[in-house]
Amino acid sequence: DVKVTQSSRYLVKRTGEKVFLECVQDMDHENMFWYRQDPGLGLRLIYFSYDVKMKEKGDIPEGYSVSREKKERFSLILESASTNQTSMYLCASTIGDSSGANVLTFGAGSRLTVL
Amino acid sequence: GQNIDQPTEMTATEGAIVQINCTYQTSGFNGLFWYQQHAGEAPTFLSYNVLDGLEEKGRFSSFLSRSKGYSYLLLKELQMKDSASYLCAAMDSNYQLIWGAGTKLIIKP
Repeated sequence: DVKVTQSSRYLVKRTGEKVFLECVQDMDHENMFWYRQDPGLGLRLIYFSYDVKMKEKGDIPEGYSVSREKKERFSLILESASTNQTSMYLCASTIGDSSGANVLTFGAGSRLTVL
Repeated sequence: GQNIDQPTEMTATEGAIVQINCTYQTSGFNGLFWYQQHAGEAPTFLSYNVLDGLEEKGRFSSFLSRSKGYSYLLLKELQMKDSASYLCAAMDSNYQLIWGAGTKLIIKP
């Protein structure tokens, strides 16, 4: 069974702390994504990566950075957490072909609360 | 701008049929996805439409009209386990997904 695993399901951090959210996929997918999910809003793309060491900004990259040192791992970093970053964070991956039918496989999510 | 609209919440009865609508406006179009998300879980893929018409997969069907910027997800013979949020997402000309806010479907016995 293919999987996207997010290391932490629930985190509570204080304002100003550095936060790492880890995501690992075992499907040899080229593309990996970080989204945040907030009530009443659609999924919003933070960053994505098409290959190792490559990253592209999504719609809301401010306050976030990412790292992709290995193909299977995509990390989201909050350099200095703020209360408006309290959210559910979803990692996803997909194969790298250029067809439209790229189905995303999501992780179970990491619910971050910043106090 | 690009946007997706879908109802916030719907209620239906076990055993019945429900249709969840989605309208979209995107810069170019490369297909329309439906995902299911149970509370506290990952979204999972249900369907993909890129051509006009109805695609059927068991109890679930998805319809697309490109000219109208409209899709719907049809769920038949509703079961309690179908209680979930249903996310509509359209893919634009750059193959980027534009997501709706999701429709929470409540199934009553």
